[in-house]
Parts: sequence; structure tokens; C-alpha cells
Amino acid sequence: GDSVTQMEGPVTLSEEAFLTINCTYTATGYPSLFWYVQYPGEGLQLLLKATKADDKGSNKGFEATYRKETTSFHLEKGSVQVSDSAVYFCALSGSLETNFGNEKLTFGTGTRLTIIP
Amino acid sequence: EAQVTQNPRYLITVTGKKLTVTCSQNMNHEYMSWYRQDPGLGLRQIYYSMNVEVTDKGDVPEGYKVSRKEKRNFPLILESPSPNQTSLYFCASSPVAGGTYEQYFGPGTRLTVT
Repeated sequence: GDSVTQMEGPVTLSEEAFLTINCTYTATGYPSLFWYVQYPGEGLQLLLKATKADDKGSNKGFEATYRKETTSFHLEKGSVQVSDSAVYFCALSGSLETNFGNEKLTFGTGTRLTIIP
Repeated sequence: EAQVTQNPRYLITVTGKKLTVTCSQNMNHEYMSWYRQDPGLGLRQIYYSMNVEVTDKGDVPEGYKVSRKEKRNFPLILESPSPNQTSLYFCASSPVAGGTYEQYFGPGTRLTVT
């Protein structure tokens, strides 16, 4: 079945450091890929997404590129801020074309990120 | 404001006492889903619904029931809660299932079963 493997946390960085959180996936067909963020005490919210190979999703300074050849969707940010402290989840959803796994998001285990001033 | 609401936000109960966690969305979404979040396991799907009166099991359905009588509501029922159901629960919705669509999550319900 589909699966997502995410970089183990927790991750602690200083403000303005460069961030990478690794994410690789196993899936049938051509899934859509997502990064969700969970701020303390809140539900998950979409950070960015990519729906086909070589697409780059971006939002709030974060970026991730859909790499089909390496089945990866690594999250990056050039200069993190204290307000980026949160838990980050990589996830995938099935392709509408193949109709595989359309009924759910498959999540990684989450990476807790703490940014210190 | 477009949102998914859940109630209660926090609940402490005892083994075997039936409970219901409500979920409601105001976006006219067809698809709704329940997840549980546990440390080291990420989010796992419990049940989902493709539309009114259409529900199906997710990855961890044991001990849970759901119903979808109206488009906006998707309650999660624990008929006889046990301590291994202590978890953080999230309801989510999207216009239709899967593909490129974003899922919108509620704020979560933290359940403790003693």
C-alpha cells in the first residue's frame, strides 16, 4: 500500500538557518503530494502541494519539488523564523486518473520543528 | 467563515461509557473523514464518507462507528471506549475525495479514556 517516510525529529534550528525536512513516498500511480503544518493546539492546515512530477509547491517561503525519479518531496526554507515552530507532515493522495487511494491522505509520522531566537 | 468544527475539544471519560464526538463543516463538501493522531504514528484514517449515506472503513476502524445523515455533519461514535482509544482526533473535509484537493481539518478533540 501507499506509504510516506519522513525525516525523524525533533529538529531544532537557530533563527535564519536553512531548513530541510526529508520526505519520500511509495505509491501506485501518480499521487498528489502535500505538506501540512500543525501549530501548537491547532488542527492541520495545508502548507503547499504539488500534483505532478517536477511541480514545485511554494508558500510562506517554503518550497518542495515533486521528484518522481527519487520518489521524494523534501521541504525547504532558506531562512526560518521563530513563528515556523510547528509539526510538519508530509502526505500523499491518490491520482484522480488512476483512482487509487482517493479516499484518504496517507501521512508521514510528522517532524517537530523548533526555532530558537 | 469556512471551517470545520468539532465538539468537544477535550474529553475525559471512563472505559465503556458511550460517547459521540461531533463534526460539522459549512463548505458544502462531499467528502469527510476522521483521523486519529498518536505519537510516532502520524495520522491514521478511522472512517470516511464520500457523500451522504456513504461511509467506509479506513485503516483503524475497530471500536468506532460513524454516520452521515446530512452533508454537513459526520459524528464519530465510540460505543464502548477503551484506554487504547486515548488519542487526538481530527475531522477533515474536502470538496471531493483525493486527487489534488486540499483537506480542511477541524481543531481536534483530545480524548482520554481511563
